[in-house]
Order: sequence, then structure tokens, then C-alpha cells
Amino acid sequence: AQSVTQLDSQVPVFEEAPVELRCNYSSSVSVYLFWYVQYPNQGLQLLLKYLSGSTLVKGINGFEAEFNKSQTSFHLRKPSVHISDTAEYFCAVTPSNRDDKIIFGKGTRLHILP
Amino acid sequence: EAQVTQNPRYLITVTGKKLTVTCSQNMNHEYMSWYRQDPGLGLRQIYYSMNVEVTDKGDVPEGYKVSRKEKRNFPLILESPSPNQTSLYFCASSPPTPLAQYFGPGTRLTVL
Repeated sequence: AQSVTQLDSQVPVFEEAPVELRCNYSSSVSVYLFWYVQYPNQGLQLLLKYLSGSTLVKGINGFEAEFNKSQTSFHLRKPSVHISDTAEYFCAVTPSNRDDKIIFGKGTRLHILP
Repeated sequence: EAQVTQNPRYLITVTGKKLTVTCSQNMNHEYMSWYRQDPGLGLRQIYYSMNVEVTDKGDVPEGYKVSRKEKRNFPLILESPSPNQTSLYFCASSPPTPLAQYFGPGTRLTVL
């Protein structure tokens, strides 16, 4: 079975500082990986995804993530955050042999400090 | 505009009173899914559908029913709601698999 661990439930960071949101997964088969963002009082929106190819994936709003197979990680990064990045971020995985399934992490709330 | 709509957005009901939350998408997506979001638990999948008349259980299907008679609609039915089903519910759709899901705005359900 697959599982997703987001190590930090909340991350405070000052505006214009860099941020990294951590995501680790467990799976016996290869996986597809996703980051979704949920702005206050809204549904989720896809930020970026890794299906295959380059391990560095660029998404919307200046975010990027790097797939590290040996460490089973898919950490999300942004070099300089803005107040508008205040949101909850979810990591998710889909096993390559069951692409009808998706498992979400518990989320990381990003607080931007002025 | 491509979108997933849910109705109602907010609902307060009482234990045992059957209810239906509707979900509709206008993108001709094959895959549709329902999730519940609870504090500290993230999103958990309730049911999903790969296409018309094809549905399957997710991780927390107990107490819920779904149907997929048309491609665009995927209603969530609570035959006898209980307080532990108080939650924020999201519907989502995507092309054949959940590799790029579009989410609805959510339905906040309170069962008294």
C-alpha cells in the first residue's frame, strides 16, 4: 500500500524568504506525484506533477519540486514567497499500477509573516 | 468556463434525514471522485468513478452511496447521515485517471 507523509503541519516563513515544504512517500511500485494548493475557502488546485522524465518539475506561481527516488521524497520549494501564497498545500501520490487511485497527505499550512 | 460545481455549498441537517449533494462537470471528464476533508486528516477519498456506470470504493465509503448515470454528474448520497459525517466535501474530475484533477468549491455539511 502507498502512504504519504507531510512532515510539517504548519510552516511559518517571512515574506520574500525561501520556503521548502517536505513530502515523503512509501510505495512498493513506482508512483506519480502531485502537489495541490488550497487557498482559504476554496477547492484544491493542481500546482505541479511528476509523471516521468526530469526530476525537477516546475509549476504555477513560481513553485517547483524535485523528485528524489532514493529518498522517496518530493519536496516543494519557492525561492521567495508572497502574502498571496498563504494556503494549505497537499502532496499526493498515485501508484503507476493503479492509476485510478490517489492518496493525499494531511497537508501543510503555509503562514506568510509580514 | 471549465468548472466543477457542487450544490449545496452549505447544509445543516439532522441525524437520519437522507440528503444528496450534487456534483457536475462541464469538461467531458471520464474520472470523477468524492473526498472529505477533516482537520488534521487531509483529504480522504470516499468513492470514485472511472466512467458512466463504473464506480468503486475509496478509503472511507461507509455511510455513503454514489451513482454515475451521466458522464457529467456524480451525486453523493447520504441515506442516514450521522454526526461523524460532519465534514467538508469536495468533488473532483479529470481525464481518464486522477492525474490532473479539477476540484469543486466544496460543500460544508453539518449533521446535528
